[in-house]
Amino acid sequence: DQQVKQNSPSLSVQEGRISILNCDYTNSMFDYFLWYKKYPAEGPTFLISISSIKDKNEDGRFTVFLNKSAKHLSLHIVPSQPGDSAVYFCAANNAGNMLTFGGGTRLMVKP
Amino acid sequence: DSGVTQTPKHLITATGQRVTLRCSPRSGDLSVYWYQQSLDQGLQFLIQYYNGEERAKGNILERFSAQQFPDLHSELNLSSLELGDSALYFCASSVGHLNTGELFFGEGSRLTVL
Repeated sequence: DQQVKQNSPSLSVQEGRISILNCDYTNSMFDYFLWYKKYPAEGPTFLISISSIKDKNEDGRFTVFLNKSAKHLSLHIVPSQPGDSAVYFCAANNAGNMLTFGGGTRLMVKP
Repeated sequence: DSGVTQTPKHLITATGQRVTLRCSPRSGDLSVYWYQQSLDQGLQFLIQYYNGEERAKGNILERFSAQQFPDLHSELNLSSLELGDSALYFCASSVGHLNTGELFFGEGSRLTVL
């Protein structure tokens, strides 16, 4: 039972445009959501997070939106840069318990 | 550099064998987590240790075991290996025992079972 799903395995965008990565979850008890970025041959690195009491969190070019009624979150990257090319994982947890990851979306930003 | 060190980086072994993966957490971090990433899949939580004690368990097979030592490094033991155990095994660490999610991951140990 996949509680966190990233339905798009890959996404290709042009440099300078917006990248939108999507994530759906099923467990209504999740109260904290995160995005991790992973480059080849490296471990995932934390990117941005959002608590369930918020619907938006912004950090520079990265914004995460949370729609609790739809059990959906998205990561917007504006403007996209070639260095953003990586695999992005969304993740969620509940009251500090184990982190549940989605399957990842490979983002390719073309120059 | 996350500060989390995993060894070995690559390991090739045969079915039925046993291997040990090692992880040194960031300085000051008391929690260690193990995750498995099979081909093109997400990270599956295996187990968490906090200050030497098992804290949480995920989908860890009975053939797998882990421990955290007094110096806080951790080892993941995989025995009676099967082809399907081939995967990237990540260790992560955090300061506290509550998993706020902001984990620091090592570069992973790639296990290939032939």
